[in-house]
Amino acid sequence: AQRVTQPEKLLSVFKGAPVELKCNYSYSGSPELFWYVQYSRQRLQLLLRHISRESIKGFTADLNKGETSFHLKKPFAQEEDSAMYYCALSLFQGGKLIFGQGTELSVKP
Amino acid sequence: DAGVTQSPTHLIKTRGQHVTLRCSPISGHKSVSWYQQVLGQGPQFIFQYYEKEERGRGNFPDRFSARQFPNYSSELNVNALLLGDSALYLCASSRFLDGSNSPLHFGNGTRLTVT
Repeated sequence: AQRVTQPEKLLSVFKGAPVELKCNYSYSGSPELFWYVQYSRQRLQLLLRHISRESIKGFTADLNKGETSFHLKKPFAQEEDSAMYYCALSLFQGGKLIFGQGTELSVKP
Repeated sequence: DAGVTQSPTHLIKTRGQHVTLRCSPISGHKSVSWYQQVLGQGPQFIFQYYEKEERGRGNFPDRFSARQFPNYSSELNVNALLLGDSALYLCASSRFLDGSNSPLHFGNGTRLTVT
C-alpha cells in the first residue's frame, strides 16, 4: 500500500542552524513527491516538487529512490520558516495526494 | 486572484444529521479534490472531480458523496454524521487532472464539529 511517513512530529532548531525534515515513502511505481507548507493562519500551499528540482525559500529536496526518501533540507534556518510541513505522494491519477502526518518546524531566535 | 473559497468556515452538527460543504475553485481550474484532516494528522483524500465526473475516491464510507457543477464548483455531502467525522475539510483545485503538471491549490477549509 502507498504510504508516506514523516517520523518527526516536532523539530526544533535555532536560527542559522541546518534543517532536515525527513520523509520516507512506500510506492511500487514511479513516485511524484511534493512538500507542502502551512504557515500560521494560512492555507496549505505547495513548497516544492521533485520534478522541478528547484530551490524555494532556500529549501531543497532530493528524491532518493534507493532509500525511498524525499528529505527537505535548508542549510540555514530562519525564524519565518516556522510552520507545519507535509510531505505528499502523488499517484498516477493526479489529484489524489497521500500526505504524511506532518512535521512542525520551530525555529528559535 | 480570489483563491479557492470554501463555505461555511465553521459548522456544528449533531450526530445523525446531514451536512453540505461548498467549494469554489480558482477561475480556470477544472479539477476539485476534497480532503479530510483530523487533528494531528495529514489530509486524507476523499474525492476528486474533473469536468463534473468523479475521477477518484478514497477509502471513505458511502455516507460521503460529492458532485461538481457546470461552473466547476463542488459540494461535499456527508449523511448520518458520526462523532468521528469531526475534522477540517479541505477543498483543492487544479487546472488539469494531472497533479504533476498543475499543483493543487487549497482552500482554508471548513471546520466541522459533530456533537
